[in-house]
Amino acid sequence: DIVMTQSPLSLPVTPGESASISCRSSQSLLYDTGNNHVDWYLQKPGHSPQLLIYLGSNRASGVPDRFSGSGSGTDFTLQISRVEAEDVGVYYCMQALQYPRTFGQGTKVEIK
Amino acid sequence: EVQLVESGGGLVQPGGSLRLSCAASGFTFSRFWMSWLRQAPGKGLEWVADIKQDGSEQSYMGSVRGRFTISRDNAGNSLYLQMNSLRVEDTAFYYCVRGDNWAYDYWGQGTLVTVSS
Repeated sequence: DIVMTQSPLSLPVTPGESASISCRSSQSLLYDTGNNHVDWYLQKPGHSPQLLIYLGSNRASGVPDRFSGSGSGTDFTLQISRVEAEDVGVYYCMQALQYPRTFGQGTKVEIK
Repeated sequence: EVQLVESGGGLVQPGGSLRLSCAASGFTFSRFWMSWLRQAPGKGLEWVADIKQDGSEQSYMGSVRGRFTISRDNAGNSLYLQMNSLRVEDTAFYYCVRGDNWAYDYWGQGTLVTVSS
């Protein structure tokens, strides 16, 4: 199984500043198409998870452009510019290259 | 508006069975892969199973293979998860999820399955 490792696991942020979450996979997620099969999800407190980024860098419908995904191969980053209070929650990366799909441990983002 | 509404969760003894259902609306159900994912209380996300648009292919996580069966009824816009030989470690919120572009783009509100004696 592909292991997904996130860091940090806890991230206090100041509103208006930027934040960055790292995700590393145990094998390359780059497919023959040139797409990286990694997605990012946010689970706000008391809610179901929501898709933020798919195929490495594509924002899902309705996701603010403050969120961006980057990286290739085994190293990926979710960047949140100008963090807002509504961005608090747990962020997960997930690999969609092969079965079983696997998630990172989650990064808890909270406001300082 | 895409809606996924799960039902069928509850308390069951170890070794027992449960069938989860998901009613889908707001999109053409037969055109999408569908999935079940779960989350133990206070823990992270875990993928459970996927099923192809026409039901011809299914994939399962290792610990549920042979015990769980994912199925769908495209005429009734419904997704199912038959869970047999349930274990304490299967206790979790189970989410019905739509798959698109190698991602899970819409999630239901979840239904809680508790396996305990």
